[in-house]
Amino acid sequence: NAGVTQTPKFQVLKTGQSMTLQCAQDMNHNSMYWYRQDPGMGLRLIYYSASEGTTDKGEVPNGYNVSRLNKREFSLRLESAAPSQTSVYFCASIPGTGFSSGNTIYFGEGSWLTVV
Amino acid sequence: SQKIEQNSEALNIQEGKTATLTCNYTNYSPAYLQWYRQDPGRGPVFLLLIRENEKEKRKERLKVTFDTTLKQSLFHITASQPADSATYLCALEKGQAGTALIFGKGTTLSVSS
Repeated sequence: NAGVTQTPKFQVLKTGQSMTLQCAQDMNHNSMYWYRQDPGMGLRLIYYSASEGTTDKGEVPNGYNVSRLNKREFSLRLESAAPSQTSVYFCASIPGTGFSSGNTIYFGEGSWLTVV
Repeated sequence: SQKIEQNSEALNIQEGKTATLTCNYTNYSPAYLQWYRQDPGRGPVFLLLIRENEKEKRKERLKVTFDTTLKQSLFHITASQPADSATYLCALEKGQAGTALIFGKGTTLSVSS
């Protein structure tokens, strides 16, 4: 039981390149999330998917797209990478479809992305 | 707009003392408040959840209080150890039906022996 798995762990991109961060969970969770974490800014929500087939914007969605491929997988795509997207990206999941019933969130180990 | 603030970026204490971390929020009426621990290079890990009708919650050496009038939660680690050194994050649900979880910026605790 691996929990939430993210790939790649580290990536260096040139400005303007595109890439996709992959995330998969094996806990049969309904909702999945992408956060970015920057020094002094804390964790900020990029996009989330409350259930298979749905996605919604978070606090900082600009420059990103997401795909909820199936119940297990939720990918984050940078179409044209910019230096401002240099960050640590965390994928996460929860069993239910929201936090109003007291769900807690399970995070992956993070993906370190540098855009030069 | 809704805001979560963890007042101290860093807290340094000696081993054996009690560490107290603060989380304040505005423009929220959360049903729950959560605390997470994050070690360098790792993802956050859930520690404790407290409901709005609970004043206090304990788990081993950890204690969380929740004052909905003050809009504040306190997180205590008693008999602190160097292994407790980490960043601690508080989090609240946001959005319709609580569809997202919003985090404070965290407090980095350093426990020296």
